[in-house]
Amino acid sequence: AQTVTQSQPEMSVQEAETVTLSCTYDTSESNYYLFWYKQPPSRQMILVIRQEAYKQQNATENRFSVNFQKAAKSFSLKISDSQLGDTAMYFCAFILSGNTPLVFGKGTRLSVIA
Amino acid sequence: DVKVTQSSRYLVKRTGEKVFLECVQDMDHENMFWYRQDPGLGLRLIYFSYDVKMKEKGDIPEGYSVSREKKERFSLILESASTNQTSMYLCASSFYRGSGTEAFFGQGTRLTVV
Repeated sequence: AQTVTQSQPEMSVQEAETVTLSCTYDTSESNYYLFWYKQPPSRQMILVIRQEAYKQQNATENRFSVNFQKAAKSFSLKISDSQLGDTAMYFCAFILSGNTPLVFGKGTRLSVIA
Repeated sequence: DVKVTQSSRYLVKRTGEKVFLECVQDMDHENMFWYRQDPGLGLRLIYFSYDVKMKEKGDIPEGYSVSREKKERFSLILESASTNQTSMYLCASSFYRGSGTEAFFGQGTRLTVV
């Protein structure tokens, strides 16, 4: 079975600073996808960034980037120039290729402080 | 934009009641999921469905059932609600193509059983 571990239940960062959220996963499969989702107080889950396991290049979306280390099964999220609107729960998620469900970590609560 | 709509944002029910949580998606996705979200536990999969009239148990199916009579609609049923089913419930839908996959979420239903 696949598992996802987020070891930081809570983190805080000063506005405009950079913060990195950690995620590790466990699978014996070689084809899969990894995601970071953001859940603000409104509760709507929003996709932040996606990484295909077969791609060696780390994904980037504006201020958000990942450090994908396939051999180490690590998938961390870096948020640059943190903004107050980045305050949210962040979930790391994993999905195998095909029609399978997302497996989530327990989440990291990020607070951006002015 | 993909829309996943859950019928209620907040729901209060009495112990022993039969409860229906409805979810509708408008993008012809094959896959639909019901997750339960509790603090410190992340998102846990209750049931999922790959196609009409098909269902698969997730990690915590006890006390729940589902129905998928039409492709766009996936219902979660609490046969006899109990206080330990007080939680946030999230519905999601996803597709899988050769180019990748992504899941989209509803806004969540916060259910309180009294």
